[in-house]
Amino acid sequence: DTEVTQTPKHLVMGMTNKKSLKCEQHMGHRAMYWYKQKAKKPPELMFVYSYEKLSINESVPSRFSPECPNSSLLNLHLHALQPEDSALYLCASSPDRGYEQYFGPGTRLTVT
Amino acid sequence: GENVGLHLPTLSVQEGDNSIINCAYSNSASDYFIWYKQESGKGPQFIIDIRSNMDKRQGQRVTVLLNKTVKHLSLQIAATQPGDSAVYFCAEKDNTGFQKLVFGTGTRLLVSP
Repeated sequence: DTEVTQTPKHLVMGMTNKKSLKCEQHMGHRAMYWYKQKAKKPPELMFVYSYEKLSINESVPSRFSPECPNSSLLNLHLHALQPEDSALYLCASSPDRGYEQYFGPGTRLTVT
Repeated sequence: GENVGLHLPTLSVQEGDNSIINCAYSNSASDYFIWYKQESGKGPQFIIDIRSNMDKRQGQRVTVLLNKTVKHLSLQIAATQPGDSAVYFCAEKDNTGFQKLVFGTGTRLLVSP
């Protein structure tokens, strides 16, 4: 299995809602990432988990809360988002001794 | 941090032509580079990577060239096909953080039949 999967594919939420994005990989990768991508822009790193511990937080607002329940799963909990948070949210993973990151298809998030 | 940028935002080619997508980087300490292809509505797809101790690496129909003297990276696609139409991003490993990639701004490749 060489795939990173993400659910849901699309999500529409109000500014008072709480929702979660999910990511899963079964490649044995021990580093996992969340990125945010706005239209016609490159992905921007949000969080990095290494061996299930948060290793990088790119000064992301606290309304985004990551969680890594185990080595195969990565969640992004969303609460009180703003319309400007609407974007494609991408998950990626990378192997222990490699720098290449493998991306999932993303969750298209719309905040109304 | 330093940026990885591209010279051309859009490149239009005919099917069967060879395509060259360019990327300039500014961090002379970068030691690893990677190219991604992103089709509409999909996540970035790994194409090819290269370490700084190499100046050329070939894959299937793709070649990456690295010129460290002028801090320039290019992706060559041979016999371009309509399925190659996508946005291409270069990225460099941020040498301040083991697991962090810094992405360039992207080039859209349009292939006409």
